Amino acid sequence: GQNIDQPTEMTATEGAIVQINCTYQTSGFNGLFWYQQHAGEAPTFLSYNVLDGLEEKGRFSSFLSRSKGYSYLLLKELQMKDSASYLCAVRAPNDMRFGAGTRLTVKP
Amino acid sequence: DVKVTQSSRYLVKRTGEKVFLECVQDMDHENMFWYRQDPGLGLRLIYFSYDVKMKEKGDIPEGYSVSREKKERFSLILESASTNQTSMYLCASRSTGGANEKLFFGSGTQLSVL
Repeated sequence: GQNIDQPTEMTATEGAIVQINCTYQTSGFNGLFWYQQHAGEAPTFLSYNVLDGLEEKGRFSSFLSRSKGYSYLLLKELQMKDSASYLCAVRAPNDMRFGAGTRLTVKP
Repeated sequence: DVKVTQSSRYLVKRTGEKVFLECVQDMDHENMFWYRQDPGLGLRLIYFSYDVKMKEKGDIPEGYSVSREKKERFSLILESASTNQTSMYLCASRSTGGANEKLFFGSGTQLSVL
């Protein structure tokens, strides 16, 4: 079966660092994606990991451990505009499945 | 700029109606997807298509069907709409050029079935 878990909600302070975790159990693995989705908008791509380790892209970094079925998204120097839902998604050979998303609220 | 277009942003239908949700992409992508998004449940895969006239069931295909007669268009059909199909429907497409090919999403259709 397919199972992708992430926390439902998180709150953090502007300027701080926050880590959003994702664990997965899927049949087939061709990579893990993180998407950002602001309220009322479509998801947009943030990052991709297929090999173990850390991928850094500006204020955002994503980590993958395939043996543990675990990933996290790290957001640094949080800004108010980072308030959004963050979706973890796993690619199998042909399809793409998502976790329920983590709603992040950034407070002043 | 890449574009995935869904025909309607908001749609209101009555129980029992046949509903068509249209999605068109202009990127010559092979793969296309239909998801529904509900609070607390996230995006759930209804159907996907990896090429013209090909379709595969996702996690929640019951009550839905799809059509992919042309590469750029992927239609979701609700044969007889029910209130539990009230949801946000998101279409997405992707190239098969590489494993890191990301999904491009349309703006979504908020469907209300009364």
